[in-house]
Amino acid sequence: ETGVTQSPTHLIKTRGQQVTLRCSSQSGHNTVSWYQQALGQGPQFIFQYYREEENGRGNFPPRFSGLQFPNYSSELNVNALELDDSALYLCASSLGPTTDTQYFGPGTRLTVL
Amino acid sequence: GNSVTQMEGPVTLSEEAFLTINCTYTATGYPSLFWYVQYPGEGLQLLLKATKADDKGSNKGFEATYRKETTSFHLEKGSVQVSDSAVYFCALTSGTYKYIFGTGTRLKVLA
Repeated sequence: ETGVTQSPTHLIKTRGQQVTLRCSSQSGHNTVSWYQQALGQGPQFIFQYYREEENGRGNFPPRFSGLQFPNYSSELNVNALELDDSALYLCASSLGPTTDTQYFGPGTRLTVL
Repeated sequence: GNSVTQMEGPVTLSEEAFLTINCTYTATGYPSLFWYVQYPGEGLQLLLKATKADDKGSNKGFEATYRKETTSFHLEKGSVQVSDSAVYFCALTSGTYKYIFGTGTRLKVLA
């Protein structure tokens, strides 16, 4: 059974640029959630996708957007990058939108200069 | 709203010492409670969970009991190892789609 994978591992961008992060969910999981983890903090919920639709959103501006594909993989897009967007971005997959256990990938470390 | 409060770190222990990391929560309804562990440079790994009051989650020598009366889910281990050095996160979900995490507690175990 393949776990949750994310790419790239690390990324460096400059302020104002756009970035796309990718996530492949665990086999059999149809729900993907994205979290932002700033240095020294706990993860903060960005949004969740279920069956290719956004199923819930945290307190993040519209420049954070996402997609989910028919194979349940997902992308997180961030436009107009700001310095405070520097963080570890975590993807988690689960069997369903209200299934209580989420399984996390290794994360993408984004640095904005 | 829902929230999770963890004890401040870092926690530094000698090998084979007893570990307690405190976690308390505020939530409506009946949340599920989790402990995740994050090793340096890695994502989160599920350590244990409990889904109802008085349940005890356990894994790899770690355990935590869901105490509704004290709204707590403290993590314990009887004898820590150097390999347990990591950041530990308490989290809850309460009938919704997202986890609420605590700020994490860094554990350092010395040989």
